Formats: sequence, structure tokens, C-alpha cells
Amino acid sequence: EPEVTQTPSHQVTQMGQEVILRCVPISNHLYFYWYRQILGQKVEFLVSFYNNEISEKSEIFDDQFSVERPDGSNFTLKIRSTKLEDSAMYFCAGGGTNYGYTFGSGTRLTVV
Amino acid sequence: AQTVTQSQPEMSVQEAETVTLSCTYDTSESDYYLFWYKQPPSRQMILVIRQEAYKQQNATENRFSVNFQKAAKSFSLKISDSQLGDAAMYFCASRQGAQKLVFGQGTRLTINP
Repeated sequence: EPEVTQTPSHQVTQMGQEVILRCVPISNHLYFYWYRQILGQKVEFLVSFYNNEISEKSEIFDDQFSVERPDGSNFTLKIRSTKLEDSAMYFCAGGGTNYGYTFGSGTRLTVV
Repeated sequence: AQTVTQSQPEMSVQEAETVTLSCTYDTSESDYYLFWYKQPPSRQMILVIRQEAYKQQNATENRFSVNFQKAAKSFSLKISDSQLGDAAMYFCASRQGAQKLVFGQGTRLTINP
């Protein structure tokens, strides 16, 4: 069964550094999403991406964050200057219009 | 705005018994989808079951079934013949069309051998 692939699985970074989280969605997905989950808390929406542009973003998704789909396959989330509170599990997801998303296995980001 | 509420932070059940996890939601839309996701200790999000709001029949996937009460905006998950591998966090979620998923707070399910 096709999977959404996320890399790296775990990244440790120093506060203030830039990180790029990568995702390879399933080829027939039309919509792409990033979510995050702070340990022990619920899953929160960050941003949705359709037709090569952002279709919706949450208040969490401030100027520190950006998304790209540079080559038509990879879907990236960049955090420009990481803060301690950015430590979380980041999930990429893809889907169509009438079925549940397929989530990637997540990237655990630890900011020290 | 959509909201999803799971009022049971933790539940436990004896192996082989049946457990029901509760979820209520609020939406102003008539066309929406409801989901239950399982999150084991690996923290991967696994789709358990989904329900289209326009369908009256409750969805079923093997040992997992839902009780969808549209008027009451209730969407509970029943797990029959509970197995040790069912132990996980379970998240209820709703979605309108192709828009974002909105998650509940989660219910941690423990299976007692």
C-alpha cells in the first residue's frame, strides 16, 4: 500500500537554527497538509497546500514557517529560526476530497 | 468553526471485552466527514474508520464500528473483542470537504490482559 514518507524521523537542532522537514506524498494526492503534535497534546493543524499554493493556515503558522513543493513530489516545511516551543512531532498528510488522509510516520523535532 | 470534543481522557477494558469511546462535534455544514484515528506508542496516525455525514448507515471495519447520531452530533467508536494491540491513543476528527482535519483531545485506551 502506498505510503507518505517523511524524513528525517528525528531531528535535534539548536535554538535559532533553521530546519527543513521533508515529505513525499502519494502520487495521486491533491491536497497536502502539515500538522504538529506537542507531546501529550492533541494534533494541531498548521497549513494546507493545494495547486501549489497555501489554501489555509492556522495562527500557529506564522512568518517563521514556510512550505514548498519545489519539484512536484517533495513537500517541505521550513522553520526559519527554531524556538524551544517548536519541539513537537510534525506530521505530513495527503488526501483527496472524499476520504481520510494518509499520514506520514512523522518527524520528531527536538529543539535544544 | 468546527469543534471536536472527546470527554474521556482515559479508558480501560479487559481483553476480549467491548469498549466504546465517545466523541461529539459541532459544525455548521451539512456535508462533512468523521474519522477515528489510532496513535500507538510509535506516534504514527492510523486511520481506523470513517463516516460520511450523508450516509445513515453506521460504518464498520471488522471489530470497529461507529454509532453516528447526526442530530445529536455524536460519533462514538465501539471496539469489540478488544485485543492487546488495540492499546493506543484514539483521536476523533472531523473534516468539511477537502479542508483541514479538526481533532479532539484524544482518549488513551488501555487493554488489561
